[in-house]
Amino acid sequence: AQKVTQAQTEISVVEKEDVTLDCVYETRDTTYYLFWYKQPPSGELVFLIRRNSFDEQNEISGRYSWNFQKSTSSFNFTITASQVVDSAVYFCALSEAKSGGYNKLIFGAGTRLAVHP
Amino acid sequence: DGGITQSPKYLFRKEGQNVTLSCEQNLNHDAMYWYRQDPGQGLRLIYYSQIVNDFQKGDIAEGYSVSREKKESFPLTVTSAQKNPTAFYLCASSPRTSGRTDTQYFGPGTRLTVL
Repeated sequence: AQKVTQAQTEISVVEKEDVTLDCVYETRDTTYYLFWYKQPPSGELVFLIRRNSFDEQNEISGRYSWNFQKSTSSFNFTITASQVVDSAVYFCALSEAKSGGYNKLIFGAGTRLAVHP
Repeated sequence: DGGITQSPKYLFRKEGQNVTLSCEQNLNHDAMYWYRQDPGQGLRLIYYSQIVNDFQKGDIAEGYSVSREKKESFPLTVTSAQKNPTAFYLCASSPRTSGRTDTQYFGPGTRLTVL
């Protein structure tokens, strides 16, 4: 069965600190996709990144970076020099690849990040 | 602007009433989804639709119903059979490109409270 574990329920940091959000997944599929979404207090889920199982290159987008390691089934998310606007709940999600385009997303429970001034 | 709209933002329901949550998208996406989010938990799939006039149950479909008469619209009805409907409901859509997994994009959500 597929499963996503975000062991950190809540993280509290002071502005400008670096913070890493952990994501560990389980799947028997060889082809799958991993996602990160941000949920600010307004409630809408904002897409951050999608990574397929064949691409283990780390990715950097501004202050955000992602470390995908198949050997440990992890897809961790790091925010460098955190800002108050980064305060949100962050979800990691897993999707198996299916033909026809439909993909069921399995979500972790989320990590609530609080960045204090 | 292209996007997904959900209405209302807040909804209050008396026990025994059916209520319908609206979801509209102008992204020209084929697939649409409904998720439920409870406090401190991830999202769980209620229903999804890959194409007009077709939809399938997700993991927690009991007590819910949907329709997909138009590509742009995927309303969710929470029936009186749903025993614990108080939750945050999120609608999503994706392009449904054949042979690949597409990213799902989400609407702003509807918070339903049963009084």
